[in-house]
Amino acid sequence: AQTVTQSQPEMSVQEAETVTLSCTYDTSESDYYLFWYKQPPSRQMILVIRQEAYKQQNATENRFSVNFQKAAKSFSLKISDSQLGDAAMYFCASPGRTETSGSRLTFGEGTQLTVNP
Amino acid sequence: KAGVTQTPRYLIKTRGQQVTLSCSPISGHRSVSWYQQTPGQGLQFLFEYFSETQRNKGNFPGRFSGRQFSNSRSEMNVSTLELGDSALYLCASSLKSLAGGRTDTQYFGPGTRLTVL
Repeated sequence: AQTVTQSQPEMSVQEAETVTLSCTYDTSESDYYLFWYKQPPSRQMILVIRQEAYKQQNATENRFSVNFQKAAKSFSLKISDSQLGDAAMYFCASPGRTETSGSRLTFGEGTQLTVNP
Repeated sequence: KAGVTQTPRYLIKTRGQQVTLSCSPISGHRSVSWYQQTPGQGLQFLFEYFSETQRNKGNFPGRFSGRQFSNSRSEMNVSTLELGDSALYLCASSLKSLAGGRTDTQYFGPGTRLTVL
């Protein structure tokens, strides 16, 4: 089975500090993207950052960056200078494929991030 | 460019009824995927439509069905509602089909919260 594991159900960080959310995945795809989404209390799923697996350079989007370790199938998200608006549930997602469902995006169980003022 | 829209935002139904949810993708996007989100099961893939054809299907009973129109708008139907169908239903659109290899970036709508009494 294609799985995505987020081992930290909850994390907290002080405003302006840095936090890292962990994710490991298992996919049989050879060329793929990995994603981090955030879901604030409004429940709108918002794309945070995307990593192309064939690129060795880690993706960066402003205060958000990833540490992508392809061999270890690890894909962590680092949030620098945390802001109150970063408080949300964060989901890691990777492609998966099964015989019955074909290719689809598989999500981890999420990490609830709290930002303390 | 307008984002993904979903209607209605909230629905309350009783067991045994059926319901239809609608999703309008980002202009130019031809792939629409549906997900069910519940506290116990997390985000689960329902199905994907691309160019009016179902390309992928998750592990859900036949009571869950969908279709896509020529303008890429998609509808999801759930018949004979059960209490366990209470969930947030998320729709996501992308340019390319998930089945096309490298999983394209999916952009999500705000969701429809379905409550079954």
